[in-house]
Amino acid sequence: DSGVTQTPKHLITATGQRVTLRCSPRSGDLSVYWYQQSLDQGLQFLIQYYNGEERAKGNILERFSAQQFPDLHSELNLSSLELGDSALYFCASSKTGTEETQYFGPGTRLLVL
Amino acid sequence: GENVEQHPSTLSVQEGDSAVIKCTYSDSASNYFPWYKQELGKRPQLIIDIRSNVGEKKDQRIAVTLNKTAKHFSLHITETQPEDSAVYFCAAHPGSSNTGKLIFGQGTTLQVKP
Repeated sequence: DSGVTQTPKHLITATGQRVTLRCSPRSGDLSVYWYQQSLDQGLQFLIQYYNGEERAKGNILERFSAQQFPDLHSELNLSSLELGDSALYFCASSKTGTEETQYFGPGTRLLVL
Repeated sequence: GENVEQHPSTLSVQEGDSAVIKCTYSDSASNYFPWYKQELGKRPQLIIDIRSNVGEKKDQRIAVTLNKTAKHFSLHITETQPEDSAVYFCAAHPGSSNTGKLIFGQGTTLQVKP
């Protein structure tokens, strides 16, 4: 157990819908990262937050948005869902938000039908 | 742009043999290179990492080497065991950024046959 929690574990929804994925970082970690892992694909970096502020952006679609709250938990919002958005979404956390170990959560498996 | 190439995509070895996975990165300013292991249905977990001021690092049966000139780094697993079977991801941190952003390779599926 890495100490990073994610909810829900599984999510099944329809095209065009909107969903929210939630992540709580390890105690003491200030930075949260979101990654997308599609079938047979590697880990694609989406976005990073540090202490409530956006720190880095990757290949995140405009239909996706995220935020980190004062209690440091983070939410990833996915809207106007398409079939191709079906994937495993991981959240990770780290202490300082720079080059250091990232601890991954168990992931949320999203299936868009 | 930033890119990490990983080879091979699949690797099958006999128990007890060694396994080597290689990665090449594009950003010469990259300064941190972690390796993650992901077992089936599980989360990625860090197994070893190396920084750009070090050429080699070892932890029991696992070692990582870094060649900054050639911009490549490799994972070496000796005396492989069936529990080493998993997907292994290399990653590189773009050194020019004040972030924790990691660029991951596409992964190597390692199968260790008993």
